[in-house]
Amino acid sequence: NAGVTQTPKFRVLKTGQSMTLLCAQDMNHEYMYWYRQDPGMGLRLIHYSVGEGTTAKGEVPDGYNVSRLKKQNFLLGLESAAPSQTSVYFCASSWVISAGGAYNEQFFGPGTRLTVL
Amino acid sequence: RKEVEQDPGPFNVPEGATVAFNCTYSNSASQSFFWYRQDCRKEPKLLMSVYSSGNEDGRFTAQLNRASQYISLLIRDSKLSDSATYLCVVKASGGSYIPTFGRGTSLIVHP
Repeated sequence: NAGVTQTPKFRVLKTGQSMTLLCAQDMNHEYMYWYRQDPGMGLRLIHYSVGEGTTAKGEVPDGYNVSRLKKQNFLLGLESAAPSQTSVYFCASSWVISAGGAYNEQFFGPGTRLTVL
Repeated sequence: RKEVEQDPGPFNVPEGATVAFNCTYSNSASQSFFWYRQDCRKEPKLLMSVYSSGNEDGRFTAQLNRASQYISLLIRDSKLSDSATYLCVVKASGGSYIPTFGRGTSLIVHP
């Protein structure tokens, strides 16, 4: 059981380049999330998905796109990277979190360290 | 006011000390509360849930104060391995499916 994996672990981009970060989970979780973490800012939600084929915007979605074509994968795309997108990106997954119900633990991947020059 | 606030620290304590962190939340409809632990350059991992009646897991005790809208984490007999950042997580009932993370409190335990 690998849990949540992220590819790549590190990447350096030049301004204007594009890239896709891949997140995969083998726990059959419905929900998946992309966060970025910057010093002093904590975890900020970029986009999330409540099921295959669905995505929604989080707190800081601008400059990113996502796709969830398969239940186990959640892709984060940067179409034209900017230095402000230098960050550590974490993917997470969880069982269903109902609006009125209890929270289910989020399992995080090891992160992708992205530098945009 | 941010939804979930934590003192960033760092809290610098000697081994064996008792240390406590608080986390305040602004949404009175908040329903679920948790503490996550994040080691340096690693991913966050669930440490413990926080129940209305309070709960204990070994050296760790979590408590909820709904009247004052805060949760706390108490660590007794601190170990060097407790050095980490502790993230508070809050989920409101109704509406949003998404929990809110605090920015974290840094703990450094020294010999």
